[in-house]
Amino acid sequence: DQQVKQNSPSLSVQEGRISILNCDYTNSMFDYFLWYKKYPAEGPTFLISISSIKDKNEDGRFTVFLNKSAKHLSLHIVPSQPGDSAVYFCAASLYGNNRLAFGKGNQVVVIP
Amino acid sequence: DAGVIQSPRHEVTEMGQEVTLRCKPISGHNSLFWYRQTMMRGLELLIYFNNNVPIDDSGMPEDRFSAKMPNASFSTLKIQPSEPRDSAVYFCASSARQGGTGELFFGEGSRLTVL
Repeated sequence: DQQVKQNSPSLSVQEGRISILNCDYTNSMFDYFLWYKKYPAEGPTFLISISSIKDKNEDGRFTVFLNKSAKHLSLHIVPSQPGDSAVYFCAASLYGNNRLAFGKGNQVVVIP
Repeated sequence: DAGVIQSPRHEVTEMGQEVTLRCKPISGHNSLFWYRQTMMRGLELLIYFNNNVPIDDSGMPEDRFSAKMPNASFSTLKIQPSEPRDSAVYFCASSARQGGTGELFFGEGSRLTVL
């Protein structure tokens, strides 16, 4: 069973606008969440993370929001840039456990 | 600094053949992971090692798959015999933090096609 779910597999957004990616998880024991970005023919690269003791973490244009009661997190990219066009993976784990469960990914296309 | 190095980048083989994928983790990293990416299932963890010891292989699909890590700088994932449903991109990743949740550094992947 998919413990981390990313719906709406693709998203198109105009340059300069906000991109919002959503992720839901089923295991309430997860306490650490990450987003990875992947370009074609490359491996995923770490983007941003958040622990369950926080509800928001910001790094430049990227902000991750966590709603533990809803088992939901989202990634906001503001403003979106053409270089942000990639597949974004949501991942979750138990702190102290190296095993990451990944979602299937969201394709983002930023239109110049 | 060199990242995670995987080989081959592409492999095309016929059903029934043995396939060996190789990985060199980042020097100093003590955790190594093998993931498989497919359209249907996304990124699945197959197996991971801490300090060269397999910790969790529950993601390995079946006995046709095996993984080894003979030393800190090398790991292999072997499929014998291969089947068309094994076609996927296989990623190796390494991490510096054992126990805690460390960032995973991924290689560029090995794209396997089994005809």
